[in-house]
Amino acid sequence: QSALTQPASVSGSPGQAITISCTGTSSDVGGYKYVSWYQQHPGKAPKLMIYDVSNRPSGVSYRFSASKSGNTASLTISGLQAEDEADYYCSSYTSSSSYVFGTGTKVTVV
Amino acid sequence: EVRLVQSGAEVKKPGESLRISCEASGYSFNTYWIGWVRQMPGKGLEWMGIIYPGDSDTRYSPSFQGQVTISADTSSTTAYLQWSSLKVSDTAMYYCARHEEGSGSNYMDVWGKGTTVTVSS
Repeated sequence: QSALTQPASVSGSPGQAITISCTGTSSDVGGYKYVSWYQQHPGKAPKLMIYDVSNRPSGVSYRFSASKSGNTASLTISGLQAEDEADYYCSSYTSSSSYVFGTGTKVTVV
Repeated sequence: EVRLVQSGAEVKKPGESLRISCEASGYSFNTYWIGWVRQMPGKGLEWMGIIYPGDSDTRYSPSFQGQVTISADTSSTTAYLQWSSLKVSDTAMYYCARHEEGSGSNYMDVWGKGTTVTVSS
């Protein structure tokens, strides 16, 4: 199972919106509504930010939104803040009844 | 409060065996899948496998099948990740994560803080 493809890095200024893409195949992203997104700050455990393509868990800022089209999912962070600087990973359920993560995207607030 | 508390850092030599643990609390341990994720130094997340403690049903990533063993003890509400013969390449941070699966959802909602495993001669 190959990792889902994400851009290595994305940057933006405070207040801007950025979007991170996550490209898979019809056997994972395209085949299921089970894409999730995780935020990881340095030295910390990952944190669930989005589940089932576009749902936000309780406590996650409304500034985080996500969607999916075909084999590509996207995470948008609006009103970018310094605290959003972290690594972001997408994940998808797969046709092998397993899960696969994306390659990860480093978000920098410049 | 739902919590996953992982065992402490380990330093081992190649060829040694190891079992690390993840103690769950605050929810019905038997009715959620729980699994493990590897993160090698400076690298991304890799899904290793999961177990359903209620019936010990286990699923592994092809990349980790045969390399590790995932188990669970319902009496102590603890999940385990085990190696029979460690390699230097097993050096990594290992996270346990509760999996919400079924009922129309599939995702990892609660994570442990991680266990660092260092394998060096």
